[in-house]
Amino acid sequence: NAGVTQTPKFRVLKTGQSMTLLCAQDMNHEYMYWYRQDPGMGLRLIHYSVGEGTTAKGEVPDGYNVSRLKKQNFLLGLESAAPSQTSVYFCASSYRVGAYEQYFGPGTRLTVT
Amino acid sequence: QQQVKQSPQSLIVQKGGISIINCAYENTAFDYFPWYQQFPGKGPALLIAIRPDVSEKKEGRFTISFNKSAKQFSLHIMDSQPGDSATYFCAASNNNDMRFGAGTRLTVKP
Repeated sequence: NAGVTQTPKFRVLKTGQSMTLLCAQDMNHEYMYWYRQDPGMGLRLIHYSVGEGTTAKGEVPDGYNVSRLKKQNFLLGLESAAPSQTSVYFCASSYRVGAYEQYFGPGTRLTVT
Repeated sequence: QQQVKQSPQSLIVQKGGISIINCAYENTAFDYFPWYQQFPGKGPALLIAIRPDVSEKKEGRFTISFNKSAKQFSLHIMDSQPGDSATYFCAASNNNDMRFGAGTRLTVKP
């Protein structure tokens, strides 16, 4: 099992450019999440999904969109990148929310210049 | 409003010492309190977790102490080793929500 994988691992964007981050999991988990990690801020939830075809906003959703067309994939899109979106992005999945382990991917380091 | 407050931000401990990281939460509806460990360049991974019906849980050198009335919980790492050097995140969750603390960077000096 690969667990949770993310592509790409690194990316540099110019302000105003767009991109999509891809997350894939092979554990048949219903729940998937996108977090951003910034120094001193911990992990902040951007968007999450409770199943195929469903998405919901987290703590910091502005400037991002997501889609969950297939159960195993969760895409995070930046339509018009801003320097404030420079961060490390983690995808995670879990069987349920609550008392269930979240499995994290290796992260994507994004720099917006 | 930060729902889970974690301290200290960074911690340096000598090999063999005890590392202690503290967290406090606001929402009394949280009923699951995990700790995640993150090594540089990797995603966080579950280390140990506790439910509020017990006051302590121990797994090897790692212990969670939980104080429900104070809404506080802490991670104790006994006999700290250089291989424990990592960032540790506490979290609190229920069936609808999960929040992470800001993280503690632990360095264990040989």
